[in-house]
Amino acid sequence: DIVMTQSPSSLAVSAGETVTINCKSSQSLLYSGNQKNYLAWYQQKPGQSPKLLIYWASTRQSGVPDRFIGSGSGTDFTLTISSVQAEDLAIYYCQQYYDTPYTFGAGTKLELK
Amino acid sequence: QVQLKESGPGLVQPSQTLSLTCTVSGFSLTSNSVHWVRQPPGKGLEWMGGIWGDGSTDYNSALKSRLSISRDTSKSQVFLKMNSLQTDDTAIYFCTRPGYPGWFDYWGQGVMVTVSS
Repeated sequence: DIVMTQSPSSLAVSAGETVTINCKSSQSLLYSGNQKNYLAWYQQKPGQSPKLLIYWASTRQSGVPDRFIGSGSGTDFTLTISSVQAEDLAIYYCQQYYDTPYTFGAGTKLELK
Repeated sequence: QVQLKESGPGLVQPSQTLSLTCTVSGFSLTSNSVHWVRQPPGKGLEWMGGIWGDGSTDYNSALKSRLSISRDTSKSQVFLKMNSLQTDDTAIYFCTRPGYPGWFDYWGQGVMVTVSS
């Protein structure tokens, strides 16, 4: 199974700051056939289902604000949230869909400082 | 529009079998897959398995011996059955539809299942 390791596990921020969440996979998620990274990011607020933010490591889902930026390739990925807003306080998960079993990172909780 | 909704018992006794239903609308089960993801209270997400458009299934190896996923295309329903439940199976169970090839863009609201006597 592909293991997804996220860091940090929690992050305290002030509104307006830029934050970076890291995700590392135990094997490359870059498929040579199409040069795409099989990595997605989700946001989950309390009492809600996860919401897809990013797929193909860097493509924003429709309607997701452009302050959410996904980057990285191979085994190392980053979700950057620029100018954090109060509505961004949530838990963020990365997920690989390179192979089943699909696996998620343990999550990064974004809290208010 | 695409919608998924889970239903099932909120409480299951230890060693018993869990049966959940995911009722979908806005898409066809014969050309889309539906998967189950669970989340223990205060913990992260675990992919359990899914049923593909052709009816084939894929399971998390950690659950494979206890888990079965099936469907009724005429009713637009996907079923999850998991036996030998224990207290650590207590979780919110979500059904979700992936966009190709495996990110999950549509989710149900989830159903909380508590395993307790």
